[in-house]
Amino acid sequence: AQSVTQLDSHVSVSEGTPVLLRCNYSSSYSPSLFWYVQHPNKGLQLLLKYTSAATLVKGINGFEAEFKKSETSFHLTKPSAHMSDAAEYFCVVTAFYNQGGKLIFGQGTELSVKP
Amino acid sequence: KAGVTQTPRYLIKTRGQQVTLSCSPISGHRSVSWYQQTPGQGLQFLFEYFSETQRNKGNFPGRFSGRQFSNSRSEMNVSTLELGDSALYLCASTTGGRDTQYFGPGTRLTVL
Repeated sequence: AQSVTQLDSHVSVSEGTPVLLRCNYSSSYSPSLFWYVQHPNKGLQLLLKYTSAATLVKGINGFEAEFKKSETSFHLTKPSAHMSDAAEYFCVVTAFYNQGGKLIFGQGTELSVKP
Repeated sequence: KAGVTQTPRYLIKTRGQQVTLSCSPISGHRSVSWYQQTPGQGLQFLFEYFSETQRNKGNFPGRFSGRQFSNSRSEMNVSTLELGDSALYLCASTTGGRDTQYFGPGTRLTVL
């Protein structure tokens, strides 16, 4: 069965410093992996997705993630945090190989950004 | 293209009542999925509808049901509401294959 584990429930960084949000996955096939962001009282916005085309995936707002099969990881990074990055981030995997209709979410990582 | 829309955005109900939530997908998308988000359980999959048929179902009691219309709009119904049903209900749409799911803003349901 597919699953994702976000290794930190809360990460705090200072504005201008790098961001690292960690995610490990478990999959019986080559997965589709996503990072979504949720700002307070808002829906989910797609940051980036991996679908086996390239292991380093670039997303919106300067975020990127690297798919490492040997480590079963899909960590999200950003070189320099901005105050507007404060939000909850979800690492997500599709439940089925050929369908995108069911997603399995990690528990989320709350990112705080200090001035 | 217009995004996924959900109505209403906020609902307050009392225990024992029933509620219907609506979701309009992105034009051309045939799959609509529903998720429940709570602080304790996180984001959990409820069900997916594809071309008016339920294709996948999560682990929720039968009080939670849904349907999809020929124009791909979907409704979710919860009967005999319980306090624990208070949550943000999100719907998402996709074309039906391995494409990205796009989420609506959610409906915040409060059960008193």
